Amino acid sequence: GAVVSQHPSRVICKSGTSVKIECRSLDFQATTMFWYRQFPKQSLMLMATSNEGSKATYEQGVEKDKFLINHASLTLSTLTVTSAHPEDSSFYICSAAPRQGRIGYTFGSGTRLTVV
Amino acid sequence: AQSVAQPEDQVNVAEGNPLTVKCTYSVSGNPYLFWYVQYPNRGLQFLLKYITGDNLVKGSYGFEAEFNKSQTSFHLKKPSALVSDSALYFCAVRDMNNNAGNMLTFGGGTRLMVKP
Repeated sequence: GAVVSQHPSRVICKSGTSVKIECRSLDFQATTMFWYRQFPKQSLMLMATSNEGSKATYEQGVEKDKFLINHASLTLSTLTVTSAHPEDSSFYICSAAPRQGRIGYTFGSGTRLTVV
Repeated sequence: AQSVAQPEDQVNVAEGNPLTVKCTYSVSGNPYLFWYVQYPNRGLQFLLKYITGDNLVKGSYGFEAEFNKSQTSFHLKKPSALVSDSALYFCAVRDMNNNAGNMLTFGGGTRLMVKP
């Protein structure tokens, strides 16, 4: 149980276009999901906390108009990178917060975004 | 504020030898501590966690970690390393204090290289 599916696993897009990344909890309801960005050989940096039915909470320095987060249902959160530029190329990972009564977090498999 | 430090960017060990990946943490309250492993272009895989109870925690793939409150450490260990253990390892902490939210904070990661 507690599987998080993230799609796509890889995406290449042209500069100026937008890309949507989906994060789905397959067998549980995730009221809170986290979006991380990981640069090569670096740690995970929290971008934002996504709460179902409300606005996401962005970390300092993360442009909310650039990285649009939607958490419209208890099983789906999306991250849209708008007007992508090469510097947005990175590995993006989502995570579902622990379910009630549990401690563990579940991570998606990640999305490698390359903007050319 | 909570933080995690992994002082070693890389750890090299010969196959069959014991390995240790170091982690120290800082939280205002009591910690939940986690270790994750990441293979290239993949998401994070859970290895083990400390919640409460026995300070020695056993996890997946023969890994274990020891919680040391006085040293605020949670070092990852394995008695006999395998070449297939070569990967990127992340330590993470969450403050048990409910008011601190449920956000995970990650260390910078340690690359483990196991040579035949």
